[in-house]
Amino acid sequence: SALTQPPSASGSPGQSVLISCTGTSTDVGAYEYVSWYRQYPGQAPQLLIFEVTKRPSGVPGRFSGSKSGNTASLTVSGLQVEDEADYYCSSYAGNVDVPFVFGTGTKLTVL
Amino acid sequence: QVQLQESGPGQVKPSETLSLTCSVSGASISTYYWSWIRQVPGKELEWLGFFYHGESTKYNPSLKGRLSISGDTSKNQFSLTLTSVTAADTAMYYCARGFSSPDYWGQGTQVTVSS
Repeated sequence: SALTQPPSASGSPGQSVLISCTGTSTDVGAYEYVSWYRQYPGQAPQLLIFEVTKRPSGVPGRFSGSKSGNTASLTVSGLQVEDEADYYCSSYAGNVDVPFVFGTGTKLTVL
Repeated sequence: QVQLQESGPGQVKPSETLSLTCSVSGASISTYYWSWIRQVPGKELEWLGFFYHGESTKYNPSLKGRLSISGDTSKNQFSLTLTSVTAADTAMYYCARGFSSPDYWGQGTQVTVSS
């Protein structure tokens, strides 16, 4: 089933915000394959973080990922207006019927 | 620069078959995993399945055996076929490179199931 994210998060420009992603011991807790995506309205998701902490080239260092147990987190530091978007996590879940699951999504508002 | 572009009909009638194609440039479909993902407007992303050329495919069981994914290396394209569609299949459909952390995505193509 889908990973659980808070429906919304917010912060002021310059602040930091953390978005959580809670799974289970068979997905988030079991593998180092958590990813994070940003999605602007009407656009495709963009990969921000892969393998829990790694950033693709071109993604600013303001975006960082971590994991503790069954919960992964995305931290956006130095919030900017353009960070306002939907954020999704995902995790590999092993060689099972549904090996890849997404989170429920979090709408980040920059106040 | 890797680019993906979905194409297909914008509308399909209930009980008919949906066929979408993803054209890939900048990477060969003979390498990497390639995925289809969809999103109902305002809802979360749903992984549909992946294709790894010549080796394996895997589908989300929620589609109850209606989905197949295949590739055409001569055209560097891969395709989605979804049979017996219903209104619940109305969504934006994305193709993407990769499986555990898709890194390149197409722009998406909106599919509406309606008579």
